[in-house]
Amino acid sequence: AAGVIQSPRHLIKEKRETATLKCYPIPRHDTVYWYQQGPGQDPQFLISFYEKMQSDKGSIPDRFSAQQFSDYHSELNMSSLELGDSALYFCASSFWGAKNIQYFGAGTRLSVL
Amino acid sequence: DAKTTQPNSMESNEEEPVHLPCNHSTISGTDYIHWYRQLPSQGPEYVIHGLTSNVNNRMASLAIAEDRKSSTLILHRATLRDAAVYYCILNTGTASKLTFGTGTRLQVTL
Repeated sequence: AAGVIQSPRHLIKEKRETATLKCYPIPRHDTVYWYQQGPGQDPQFLISFYEKMQSDKGSIPDRFSAQQFSDYHSELNMSSLELGDSALYFCASSFWGAKNIQYFGAGTRLSVL
Repeated sequence: DAKTTQPNSMESNEEEPVHLPCNHSTISGTDYIHWYRQLPSQGPEYVIHGLTSNVNNRMASLAIAEDRKSSTLILHRATLRDAAVYYCILNTGTASKLTFGTGTRLQVTL
């Protein structure tokens, strides 16, 4: 079965650079979520989209923005990268009527040097 | 978000049952109890969820206390591949964020 696809899997950036992470949800899923997991930490919710509209927002820095496109894929844009942004970024998708069961991608490991 | 409390870690022998407890004394009537697990170097993975009644699926069973203030995830026969961090999460059932607590790190040994 198709799963959530994230790209790239690994990304290395310098401080103050920008990064774009992409997420392709499971077909027919209408909701996308982004989570950040720092080293040795638990995943923390960043932002979510339902039917291309932002549905919820967590502890997402102002330097980050995200959107969901007409084909339901989502992109997380990160600017002015800081060392503390080094983390695993997970995307998850769900179908609105499915009791919020979320399916996660394999993640993008971002390293900021 | 209602808070859950889980032991930091548990150990089990392979092929033995494992009972992972979770306390959620402030659960509301509309909160579903979800369990996810995260294997090393992977994204979280849905395991099971329930509202009031006990639930079974191919991965595990979920036993929910009558007052819903606690629940137990049951792995009937632990294998080495079940070694992971297990998260008990309360969720309203609509498209809302998952709030991960510290979870229980399960270690499975031969």
